[in-house]
Amino acid sequence: DGGITQSPKYLFRKEGQNVTLSCEQNLNHDAMYWYRQDPGQGLRLIYYSQIVNDFQKGDIAEGYSVSREKKESFPLTVTSAQKNPTAFYLCASTRTGRVGYTFGSGTRLTVV
Amino acid sequence: AQKITQTQPGMFVQEKEAVTLDCTYDTSDQSYGLFWYKQPSSGEMIFLIYQGSYDEQNATEGRYSLNFQKARKSANLVISASQLGDSAMYFCAMREGRHTGGFKTIFGAGTRLFVKA
Repeated sequence: DGGITQSPKYLFRKEGQNVTLSCEQNLNHDAMYWYRQDPGQGLRLIYYSQIVNDFQKGDIAEGYSVSREKKESFPLTVTSAQKNPTAFYLCASTRTGRVGYTFGSGTRLTVV
Repeated sequence: AQKITQTQPGMFVQEKEAVTLDCTYDTSDQSYGLFWYKQPSSGEMIFLIYQGSYDEQNATEGRYSLNFQKARKSANLVISASQLGDSAMYFCAMREGRHTGGFKTIFGAGTRLFVKA
């Protein structure tokens, strides 16, 4: 079945370390997105990509980086510059048209 | 700037009854899309229903319907015949552009729905 795979499900990071969250989709969707969700809050857009080798900053891009070398993959790196990285991270993709996003199951990142 | 407002942090509904979750939005765009998503305790977001700004009829998907009032900039979600499995967080969202992918979507803060047996 087609879908989005995010890994790992849980991730623990020491302060000062960079970590990379994986997002892979086999839906042949062109556009991919990364959102951050804090407890009791809605989703905030970090980065998005409409085509391979191109991506745009969202509303809270500082301290994060992405790449889009393949259509299927859109990894997110949380750098040491991100001051408060503990959150739930959701990856999504979509195709053109009157449809919503397909989301992955998320990665919960905790800084220890 | 675009904005989505959900004023109900939590709602209770009796099983088998209908419930309305409120959503108002603000945009200067003439073309936009409105969405509702469900987030169970597992965390995954599930797309429920879509309404385009030029759609004249309210969208419906099974037990979900979207009460779209363009002049009032509201897009309320109506769930009919509530089930215990409907207990979850519900997010209203808006995307600029019609029939486009790749435009960013903004989300409201969400409403937590509790269905009582």
